[in-house]
Amino acid sequence: RKEVEQDPGPFNVPEGATVAFNCTYSNSASQSFFWYRQDCRKEPKLLMSVYSSGNEDGRFTAQLNRASQYISLLIRDSKLSDSATYLCVVNRDYKLSFGAGTTVTVRA
Amino acid sequence: EAQVTQNPRYLITVTGKKLTVTCSQNMNHEYMSWYRQDPGLGLRQIYYSMNVEVTDKGDVPEGYKVSRKEKRNFPLILESPSPNQTSLYFCASSLDFGTYNEQFFGPGTRLTVL
Repeated sequence: RKEVEQDPGPFNVPEGATVAFNCTYSNSASQSFFWYRQDCRKEPKLLMSVYSSGNEDGRFTAQLNRASQYISLLIRDSKLSDSATYLCVVNRDYKLSFGAGTTVTVRA
Repeated sequence: EAQVTQNPRYLITVTGKKLTVTCSQNMNHEYMSWYRQDPGLGLRQIYYSMNVEVTDKGDVPEGYKVSRKEKRNFPLILESPSPNQTSLYFCASSLDFGTYNEQFFGPGTRLTVL
């Protein structure tokens, strides 16, 4: 079983829509969690860290559910510029494990 | 400008011909790592380094070597490349390995082994 699993999508949404997707992780000892964004096989960039209490950054909201071992990302009021692949990342014992990514396409 | 650089950005080579991909960061980061990215598999860690002269294997270290003689550089060495090492490679660095430290990635190296 992969350490981090994501729905690959793609999620095709119109501008202004809300889109949400999850990621599950297999190891309950995982210590910290992130969402990274990757455009067209360019380098990944940190979108946001995910904290136990959930956190928000503008139009982006991340949630962590340790009991069920999943994290989620919600994007409100989608923009064309949000089109990208979103990578779920889990840290355990100095190693980062990446999901294969969820592709989001926002259409005009 | 704070950045991670990799060279070369693109490389086509043949089986068995030794190659080195360089990685350098100018942010005085302690932690550096190498990943490969293949379709459907996500990024997989090859090697990482907690500091100068300290390196350790990631999830897919077979066929690769690294060294960390200086803090800023972390080259990836393929002694005898094979076609299954055709991939997109990323180098990354972070300040140290605190729980929530951001990883900064280089632009990537597309390697094709014929």
